[in-house]
Parts: sequence; structure tokens; C-alpha cells
Amino acid sequence: KAGVTQTPRYLIKTRGQQVTLSCSPISGHRSVSWYQQTPGQGLQFLFEYFSETQRNKGNFPGRFSGRQFSNSRSEMNVSTLELGDSALYLCASSILAGKQFFGPGTRLTVL
Amino acid sequence: AQKITQTQPGMFVQEKEAVTLDCTYDTSDQSYGLFWYKQPSSGEMIFLIYQGSYDEQNATEGRYSLNFQKARKSANLVISASQLGDSAMYFCAMRAGAGFQKLVFGTGTRLLVSP
Repeated sequence: KAGVTQTPRYLIKTRGQQVTLSCSPISGHRSVSWYQQTPGQGLQFLFEYFSETQRNKGNFPGRFSGRQFSNSRSEMNVSTLELGDSALYLCASSILAGKQFFGPGTRLTVL
Repeated sequence: AQKITQTQPGMFVQEKEAVTLDCTYDTSDQSYGLFWYKQPSSGEMIFLIYQGSYDEQNATEGRYSLNFQKARKSANLVISASQLGDSAMYFCAMRAGAGFQKLVFGTGTRLLVSP
């Protein structure tokens, strides 16, 4: 079974731009969660989607948004990028209430 | 609120020796899950082992075992027979509440395995 895939793997943007990250879960997994990892704040939960519905949201500003499609693929969008948004963005998929498996991450650099 | 505490910023172990990475947790929920992940320098979070709060037996996955002490709220990871490839960051995480997929992570422990 193929694992969780994330695209792109690396991204460089400038302040004020917006970015969209993509995550394809393991086949059969309907829950997708997103996390931000930075050296200062560690790993923080962004949001979780299940069956195209956002079920849970972390403490992030409204510039961070996401969505899930009918095939369970998920996208995450960050608008009006700030320097502090530079991070590794990780996506995880799971069967409901099951173990979460992570993708390789997207490393975003904001200049 | 849920909290995970990992008090060891770094650990050193020689190849083929066993090592224990500490993790304590705090939650008021009765139903929760505890995870350990390995993160090599490439960044990917690799699932190692899972323990449910109602599981009576300690979880084991190959060379990994989880020493679950519910009364003490600890969930230590034991790696037996360390290998050079085990050098990485290790994160303890908790999912609290039934039906929730949000993981709360600790700050991690960097493990270095020497020959």
C-alpha cells in the first residue's frame, strides 16, 4: 500500500504571497490531519478533516485554511505569508480513531 | 487540556545496547492513545508504536516496546539492541478523547547511537 504523499516537498515563497500544499492519504483512510513543525514551537496541530468536513482546528489565524475532497485528498492554504510561517508542514492520515501515519512533509521557506 | 512531557533533550547509547526514552502525559480523559514517532533528519515522521489507554498489555513492535504505567501516567519507549540507524529525534504523542484525531506532541528526544 502506498504511503501518505505530500506535494511539493520544498517551496520557497516571499512575504505576502499565498501557498497551497497537497496531501494524498493512504488508500482507505478518510481522516487527514495537518501539523506545523518549527524549531521554536515544535509540532502543532493545524486542523483535521474527515469526509470533507473540518472536525477540529488548532490555534492558528484565519490565514491558514484547508479542505478535503471526495477522494480524501486534502489541501492546505496559507494566505498572506509571513516569515514566521516558514516551517515543515506535515500531513497525517488515519482510519477513524486509528493510528496516524505521516507523509514526508513540505518544507516551506518564506523570504 | 492534554500535555506530553519529554524531559530528555538528548540521549546517547552504544550500538547493541538498550535505551529507554521517557514520556509522561497529562489528561483528564479516560480514553486516549499514546504514540511514539521517529523523525530522521529527512523530516518524515515514522510511526513506531501505539498504546491505547484500555490496553492491558504493553505494546511491542519488533525492537520497540512501550512501558505503559497508567497510574504514573508514563509511556516510556524502550529500544532494544540499538542500531546506528536509530539515531534520530523521537517524539511521544497523545490523542485524547474518542473520535478525535488531534495529536499533542512532546518536545522530543534526540537519540545518538555510537558504534
